[in-house]
Amino acid sequence: GQNIDQPTEMTATEGAIVQINCTYQTSGFNGLFWYQQHAGEAPTFLSYNVLDGLEEKGRFSSFLSRSKGYSYLLLKELQMKDSASYLCAVRDADDYKLSFGAGTTVTVRA
Amino acid sequence: EAGVTQFPSHSVIEKGQTVTLRCDPISGHDNLYWYRRVMGKEIKFLLHFVKESKQDESGMPNNRFLAERTGGTYSTLKVQPAELEDSGVYFCASSQYRTEAFFGQGTRLTVV
Repeated sequence: GQNIDQPTEMTATEGAIVQINCTYQTSGFNGLFWYQQHAGEAPTFLSYNVLDGLEEKGRFSSFLSRSKGYSYLLLKELQMKDSASYLCAVRDADDYKLSFGAGTTVTVRA
Repeated sequence: EAGVTQFPSHSVIEKGQTVTLRCDPISGHDNLYWYRRVMGKEIKFLLHFVKESKQDESGMPNNRFLAERTGGTYSTLKVQPAELEDSGVYFCASSQYRTEAFFGQGTRLTVV
């Protein structure tokens, strides 16, 4: 099975940087995903890491260390529209199904 | 290109009734997944179709849940009879092999 932990809530100021950590313990691993979800909407794909290191995509970056079972999502130049829930998910090696953390609610304040 | 669509967006039913949820995946996506989020918990896997075949249904809670994907296109998830603990948001997702999964907006099911 999978055990995935991430903080419940984070608050930051517009224009600032926030880092959301995710730790996982898994029986199989085939990549780690970050999704953004606004209330009442579909989770939207943000990033994917399968090898160690940093993946950068505009204002969002994601890092993975497989040996430590650790990932983070970095949100830079925060905007009000970035207020959302951020979901860390690990993909199973055999079946490609996702196991999710409970999500981190990020609130961006003016 | 149309995304993953789910119907209905909300459903309120009484305990003991039957409800059928529908998911239309992105055209051409062979993989279709059902997930569920109950209040205060994380999103959890229910089952996985590859085309019309059930690849993995290890997450299905019990035999009151029946999923089908006739013809390998859209899928339905039927709950019969519904119980109070079945309340939650049911998500559908689709993907091509090895790519990221695209999610629908979910169906919020409330059993009263």
